[in-house]
Amino acid sequence: DIVLTQTPLSLSVTPGQPASISCKSSQSLLHRDGKTHLYWYMQKPGQSPQLLIHEVSNRFSGVPDRFSGSGSGTDFTLKISRVEAADAGIYFCMQSIQLRTFGQGTKVEIK
Amino acid sequence: QVKLVESGGGVVQPERSLRLSCAASGFTFSKYALHWVRQAPDKGLEWVAIISYDGSIKYYADAVKGRFTLSRDNSRDTLYLQMHSLRAEDTAIYYCTRESTSGSGSNVVYYGMDVWGQGTTVTVSS
Repeated sequence: DIVLTQTPLSLSVTPGQPASISCKSSQSLLHRDGKTHLYWYMQKPGQSPQLLIHEVSNRFSGVPDRFSGSGSGTDFTLKISRVEAADAGIYFCMQSIQLRTFGQGTKVEIK
Repeated sequence: QVKLVESGGGVVQPERSLRLSCAASGFTFSKYALHWVRQAPDKGLEWVAIISYDGSIKYYADAVKGRFTLSRDNSRDTLYLQMHSLRAEDTAIYYCTRESTSGSGSNVVYYGMDVWGQGTTVTVSS
């Protein structure tokens, strides 16, 4: 089974400052189709998760451009260039190369 | 408006059964694979199962294999999760989600789980 390990597990950020979350996979997420099956989701308090990033680095419709994803193979990063109050929540990475697995989640708190 | 609405959750005793439903609207239900994802209280997300667009292919997480069964009725735009032999560790919010792709061949784009329902809560307790 593929394990996704996120770091840090919690983050406290001042508005306007950047934030970065790492997601490391126990196996490469590069599929033979040439696509890398790594996604990022965000869950605001009391809400369902919502898709932020698909295929490592593609922002989903309506996602602000302060969110960006990068990485390859087994190492991936979600960056928020300038954190806003609305960004508070829990961020999860997910892989879909072998069934589905989520990372443990990273809680982002706004100072 | 694209929407998924789960129902059927509740409080159930250990070893009993429960069936969850997920009603879809705003899109062509029969063209999409669907998942159930659960979240135990104050825990992370756990993938439960996936069913193909036509119901012919199903995969389950090891934690529920043999106890949970997925089905869908494309004439009613509804997804089901039949849960048997429930355990305390099955206590969670259960989300129905849509798996989305676009294009084909080398131009295919994988969006992952792009639509989520609001969830239905299952509590297994004596």
